[in-house]
Amino acid sequence: DTGVSQDPRHKITKRGQNVTFRCDPISEHNRLYWYRQTLGQGPEFLTYFQNEAQLEKSRLLSDRFSAERPKGSFSTLEIQRTEQGDSAMYLCASSLAQGHEQYFGPGTRLTVT
Amino acid sequence: AQTVTQSQPEMSVQEAETVTLSCTYDTSENNYYLFWYKQPPSRQMILVIRQEAYKQQNATENRFSVNFQKAAKSFSLKISDSQLGDTAMYFCAFINEETSGSRLTFGEGTQLTVNP
Repeated sequence: DTGVSQDPRHKITKRGQNVTFRCDPISEHNRLYWYRQTLGQGPEFLTYFQNEAQLEKSRLLSDRFSAERPKGSFSTLEIQRTEQGDSAMYLCASSLAQGHEQYFGPGTRLTVT
Repeated sequence: AQTVTQSQPEMSVQEAETVTLSCTYDTSENNYYLFWYKQPPSRQMILVIRQEAYKQQNATENRFSVNFQKAAKSFSLKISDSQLGDTAMYFCAFINEETSGSRLTFGEGTQLTVNP
């Protein structure tokens, strides 16, 4: 069990550019979640997958955001035409389908200049 | 919608002493789960302890224990024998899959500092 991993750990981009983040969940976990955390705040839910199906999306997830989990293993989160307000820590978590504990990765810190 | 409130933005405690972090939540449901997560500076979120709402017995994990008061919708975390490594942001979180899907709802967090 290597835990949840995320790549990259840090990303600096210019406003208007596209960025993509990757998350590798704990291998036997069916569920994968994306959260966003701004400084000094608790994480806010963005979306989650059970296997390859995206089952829920928050209204925080604007049209510029898209997430995929094509083979039910790793997931990608893409932000198109980044804005300064997208600067945040993007956290990935995973859990067993029937369990409720979510285990978090180290996060990707995005800075939009 | 469920909400989670942590009314103590910051707390401090001396090493080896006991500290209690407060959390209240709002829900109309009976079956749900509550968690405390710890986020050390520049490090990842770690699950500290979990409580099922249908269990009356308070959860305990080594030096960490909770005081779950279902009627009062209160879920406090007690840390005994505080250690320097306990310095972190602590988040209370709630989940009820029947009404809010699989999303965790987090409180605003309490920054705990353990002083030597």
